[in-house]
Amino acid sequence: RKEVEQDPGPFNVPEGATVAFNCTYSNSASQSFFWYRQDCRKEPKLLMSVYSSGNEDGRFTAQLNRASQYISLLIRDSKLSDSATYLCVVLTGGGNKLTFGTGTQLKVEL
Amino acid sequence: NAGVTQTPKFRVLKTGQSMTLLCAQDMNHEYMYWYRQDPGMGLRLIHYSVGEGTTAKGEVPDGYNVSRLKKQNFLLGLESAAPSQTSVYFCASSSPQGPDQPQHFGDGTRLSIL
Repeated sequence: RKEVEQDPGPFNVPEGATVAFNCTYSNSASQSFFWYRQDCRKEPKLLMSVYSSGNEDGRFTAQLNRASQYISLLIRDSKLSDSATYLCVVLTGGGNKLTFGTGTQLKVEL
Repeated sequence: NAGVTQTPKFRVLKTGQSMTLLCAQDMNHEYMYWYRQDPGMGLRLIHYSVGEGTTAKGEVPDGYNVSRLKKQNFLLGLESAAPSQTSVYFCASSSPQGPDQPQHFGDGTRLSIL
């Protein structure tokens, strides 16, 4: 079983739609969680951290369910510019080492 | 404000050749990392460093060596390149001040081994 698993997609949605991605992780001792965004042929960039109480940043909402070991990302009112691959990322050990999921591809269409 | 800079950006090698990828960061970060990214595999950690003069193995270290002689630089070496090392390589750095510190990535190096 992969340490971090995501549905690869692609998710094709119309502009303005709400879309949700889920991610599961296998290490119950994991303590920090993130969503990174990666545009085609570009480097990954931090989108947001995920906190136990859930957190929101504009149109983006992240939630963590420790009991079920899954993380979610909700994007409301999708924009064309949201088209990218979204990486679920888990902090796995000392040295701030991260384990990346393979990513979920989102395509927002007119 | 350069952030993390990787050189070269592209390279084609023949099997058996050696080369070094350079990563430089100007954010005074303690931690630095080398990843490779392959289709369907996500980013996988090759080696990392928690400070000048220290290195440690990641998930896929075989066939690679690293050095961190200066805090701002992290070098990744391929001693004898193999076609299986064809990949996109990303360097990243982060601050050790708390687990929520993001990793900042370079633009990547696209390496092809023929």
